Amino acid sequence: QVKLVESGGGVVQPGRSLRLSCEVSGFTFSSSGMNWVRQAPGKGLEWMAVISYEGSEKNYADAVKGRFIISRDNSKNTLYLDMNSLRIEDTAVYYCAQGTSLGHWGQGTLVIVSS
Amino acid sequence: SYELTQPPSVSVSPGQTARITCSGDALPDQYANWYQQKPGQAPVLVIYKDTERPSDISERFSGSTSGTTVMLTISGVQSADEADYYCQSADSSGIGMVFGGGTKLTVL
Repeated sequence: QVKLVESGGGVVQPGRSLRLSCEVSGFTFSSSGMNWVRQAPGKGLEWMAVISYEGSEKNYADAVKGRFIISRDNSKNTLYLDMNSLRIEDTAVYYCAQGTSLGHWGQGTLVIVSS
Repeated sequence: SYELTQPPSVSVSPGQTARITCSGDALPDQYANWYQQKPGQAPVLVIYKDTERPSDISERFSGSTSGTTVMLTISGVQSADEADYYCQSADSSGIGMVFGGGTKLTVL
């Protein structure tokens, strides 16, 4: 079955960096665009970034443009999110999700930005 | 920036029909998707491309569209349907995405 597993979350100080990973199985990763979506505690869903199936096209939400970088390694069936210059307001559960209709989601990884 | 507007809450009695709206100026030109999220769980796609239903989603869930508004309809509401529901569509660039603020469905 389809499975997406995020990892890499944790507690980090403001201004520091963190890398999230999303390992997938059960579908052809190399044929699928992928997204990162986050959810701050008690808040709604917020789309963060998208990457095309082969990695050549990327797009970001204004809130993270210039600080976050989405990438992928199709040989490892893994999606990444490099988060730099982290701010307190980046505290959230981060989900990876498949495709343009977000048909499959991981369970999320919690990132807490705190001094 | 482009926004999708949903009512914060909708309440219905068991067995009744719940209707959740989502409004956005670009919805006539862009598909909308709907997600169900229960507490502590990841979202689940329930409607895609305005009206299509994934094969593992109950027939009680349906989608419709009219002008700048899309609607999620849940017929024969059950207590298990109590959740937050989010609409989503493309943003003004057509490449990124935007979510509505979410609607909390309460089954009385």
